Amino acid sequence: EIVLTQSPATLSLSPGERATLSCRTSQSVYSYLAWFQQKPGQVPRLLIYDASNRATGIPARFSGSGSGADFTLTISSLEPEDFAIYYCQQRSDWPPVYTFGQGTKLEIK
Amino acid sequence: EMQLVESGGGLVQPGGSLRLSCAGSGFTFSSFWMNWVRQAPGEGPVWVSHISNDGSTVTYADSVKGRFTIFRDNAKNTLYLQMNSLRVEDTAVYYCTMTTVITQTFDLWGHGTKVTVSS
Repeated sequence: EIVLTQSPATLSLSPGERATLSCRTSQSVYSYLAWFQQKPGQVPRLLIYDASNRATGIPARFSGSGSGADFTLTISSLEPEDFAIYYCQQRSDWPPVYTFGQGTKLEIK
Repeated sequence: EMQLVESGGGLVQPGGSLRLSCAGSGFTFSSFWMNWVRQAPGEGPVWVSHISNDGSTVTYADSVKGRFTIFRDNAKNTLYLQMNSLRVEDTAVYYCTMTTVITQTFDLWGHGTKVTVSS
């Protein structure tokens, strides 16, 4: 089973700052990595798929990079609504099996 | 508007059974692969099961294999999860999600149905 390790567990930043979140996998997942955002009391929302593709309606300040076993989600300039928990997720090629990371909480400093 | 609406959650004793339903609307349900994802209180999401658009291919997480069954009725635009031999650790909010060919992950989520397994 592939294990996803997200860091840091908590990131404290101010609006306008740049956020960099990391996700490392225990073995290569090629580019089969997605990022989700979840706000309190809400359903997770897909931000990035296949490592670097923004989902429909996601603002350009969100970007994803990486391949293999090392991935990054960057938020270029934090807006107040960006403070939330972020999860990375990998999928195996076939059969499709999905695994989430434990999450990074992005909080207001 | 594309929408997924889950139902069927509730309180059940350990060892009991429950069937969850998920009704899809606003899209061609029979064209999409579907999933169940659960989230225990204070924890991250966990993928549970996945079914192909025609129901011919199903996959399960090891933690539910042999106890849960995913199936669908495309004529009714409905996805199901039959949960047997429930355990305390199955307690979670269960979400129905849709996978598209483009993203190959969970594009659309329902609002979830809560399952509590407790004596």
